Amino acid sequence: QKEVEQDPGPLSVPEGAIVSLNCTYSNSAFQYFMWYRQYSRKGPELLMYTYSSGNKEDGRFTAQVDKSSKYISLFIRDSQPSDSATYLCAMSGLRGANAGGTSYGKLTFGQGTILTVHP
Amino acid sequence: EAGVAQSPRYKIIEKRQSVAFWCNPISGHATLYWYQQILGQGPKLLIQFQNNGVVDDSQLPKDRFSAERLKGVDSTLKIQPAKLEDSAVYLCASSFGGDQPQHFGDGTRLSIL
Repeated sequence: QKEVEQDPGPLSVPEGAIVSLNCTYSNSAFQYFMWYRQYSRKGPELLMYTYSSGNKEDGRFTAQVDKSSKYISLFIRDSQPSDSATYLCAMSGLRGANAGGTSYGKLTFGQGTILTVHP
Repeated sequence: EAGVAQSPRYKIIEKRQSVAFWCNPISGHATLYWYQQILGQGPKLLIQFQNNGVVDDSQLPKDRFSAERLKGVDSTLKIQPAKLEDSAVYLCASSFGGDQPQHFGDGTRLSIL
């Protein structure tokens, strides 16, 4: 079983739709949760960065973390064609090296979900 | 603020040849990471530096991969000899360290013939 599972999609939605992207994880040592957006032939770009459970909103983007279920989500409201990209969830552990089998600062990524928003 | 710089952007070599990648992190970032991203997968950490020292190289294939970070700034990643399965994008990332977010360069796309 992979430490982080993410549905690879692909996901195709019309412009203006609400998009929901999800990841599950198995390592309870993960405490920091991130969403990256990656355009074709570019590096991952940080979208959202959260610590522990709860919601965080930034413009059209909302990140949710449910540590009890080991489940994180990213919602995109009023999706635009420019949102078409691969979305990667990533997570890292607590302070102190090798906490729960993951070293501090090391990111473990999901597989990525390919999103296409068509006009 | 200038981002993470990587070169070259593309490299094509034959198997068993050697190749090197270069990374210049964001100014002031003490921690530097090299990731390997195979097509259709998320990035996988190869090695993590804190200033000059190695923090984590547990997933680096040390029989063929090596990396160094002289003077705690730029870093190079080398593969010698290359295998077909090394075809991937090699991403460099940097951060202030600890729980601070990582920022990525655009990577070097390596193709092995």
